[in-house]
Amino acid sequence: DVKVTQSSRYLVKRTGEKVFLECVQDMDHENMFWYRQDPGLGLRLIYFSYDVKMKEKGDIPEGYSVSREKKERFSLILESASTNQTSMYLCASRTSGDIYEQYFGPGTRLTVT
Amino acid sequence: AQKVTQAQTEISVVEKEDVTLDCVYETRDTTYYLFWYKQPPSGELVFLIRRNSFDEQNEISGRYSWNFQKSTSSFNFTITASQVVDSAVYFCALSENFGNEKLTFGTGTRLTIIP
Repeated sequence: DVKVTQSSRYLVKRTGEKVFLECVQDMDHENMFWYRQDPGLGLRLIYFSYDVKMKEKGDIPEGYSVSREKKERFSLILESASTNQTSMYLCASRTSGDIYEQYFGPGTRLTVT
Repeated sequence: AQKVTQAQTEISVVEKEDVTLDCVYETRDTTYYLFWYKQPPSGELVFLIRRNSFDEQNEISGRYSWNFQKSTSSFNFTITASQVVDSAVYFCALSENFGNEKLTFGTGTRLTIIP
């Protein structure tokens, strides 16, 4: 089974802190994704990566950056956390080629105070 | 631009009733894929089904069935004889054309099955 893990289930940070959210997948997938989930808005794509050191902006990249130094790991970085970044963050991965399903991690609920 | 609409924000039914979750999509592409995901209280999205735009056949998997109609741009999901374990948030999603990596999600429908 595909396994996508995220470093924390719950995280509380202060405004202005630099925050790292880590995601690791164990199925050698080329593509990895970061979403945020907010009530009434569904899931919105922040960034995705289709290869090591490659990244593409999603629909809401402002205030975020990402890093993909190894194929299995995709990090989401909040350079200076703000209260409007309080949200559930979901990581996903999938293989390349046809449009296959994405596999999701359990999510990190981030609270910025 | 692509868009997915799940007009039902919350639905509650009594156990063993049938329930249909609606999904309407918008796309200008002729080639696209549609998905349904389930998000139980644990939080992890679970893949349920993928359907490409060239395959309009309905699909049945146990108590779950999906009705894809291109004429109405809908991809509805029916749970027959619902169970408490079906309580979750369900998301419909769309991916346009080959090579496009992005999934566009609807806002989700929270389904509560009352025992």
